[in-house]
Amino acid sequence: DAKTTQPTSMDCAEGRAANLPCNHSTISGNEYVYWYRQIHSQGPQYIIHGLKNNETNEMASLIITEDRKSSTLILPHATLRDTAVYYCIPTSGTYKYIFGTGTRLKVLA
Amino acid sequence: GAGVSQSPRYKVAKRGQDVALRCDPISGHVSLFWYQQALGQGPEFLTYFQNEAQLDKSGLPSDRFFAERPEGSVSTLKIQRTQQEDSAVYLCASSSQSGASSYEQYFGPGTRLTVT
Repeated sequence: DAKTTQPTSMDCAEGRAANLPCNHSTISGNEYVYWYRQIHSQGPQYIIHGLKNNETNEMASLIITEDRKSSTLILPHATLRDTAVYYCIPTSGTYKYIFGTGTRLKVLA
Repeated sequence: GAGVSQSPRYKVAKRGQDVALRCDPISGHVSLFWYQQALGQGPEFLTYFQNEAQLDKSGLPSDRFFAERPEGSVSTLKIQRTQQEDSAVYLCASSSQSGASSYEQYFGPGTRLTVT
């Protein structure tokens, strides 16, 4: 599985877009990019995933660069409830996830 | 519908005691995973089941750790002769292999184990 690099922490003002980057330069052709978040004292929660096309769902948008070496998770209108640790996880699908240390996002009122 | 549940949510054990942690996956989910999360770190893979078969136990840190899923649904993670370094949150996740393109894992709330 590819190694990832994410900022340790980020702040975002409530109501603004939160853009969380992830570098996965060693990603292989069959690896999807999954994003999860973990709110304090809860288990990780699935957000979104993609292979090479940009994706959008009710929670977020995922932008993957054309060379697939990096991606950005976008929370369009961050709320206080989006304060969490966000993990970017390249994976070939059905198997174990390798979490890094993630990005601690703090949404500020 | 019901998500993944784990019990107990909190467990305090004296060093040397045996503990058993239970996971109830989402009904019908074929795959089940156990992860260990130390304070301030991301979850780390322990073991993986497909139905009742344990296909990967490479992440179990020692032979004191044992997991089972005898009927392909509920799973138990057992830790024998607990040590202080076993203190962590133990997360269970399940996944459906329905043939769809996505295989997201659904996580339970975790069991926080403290060994004193």
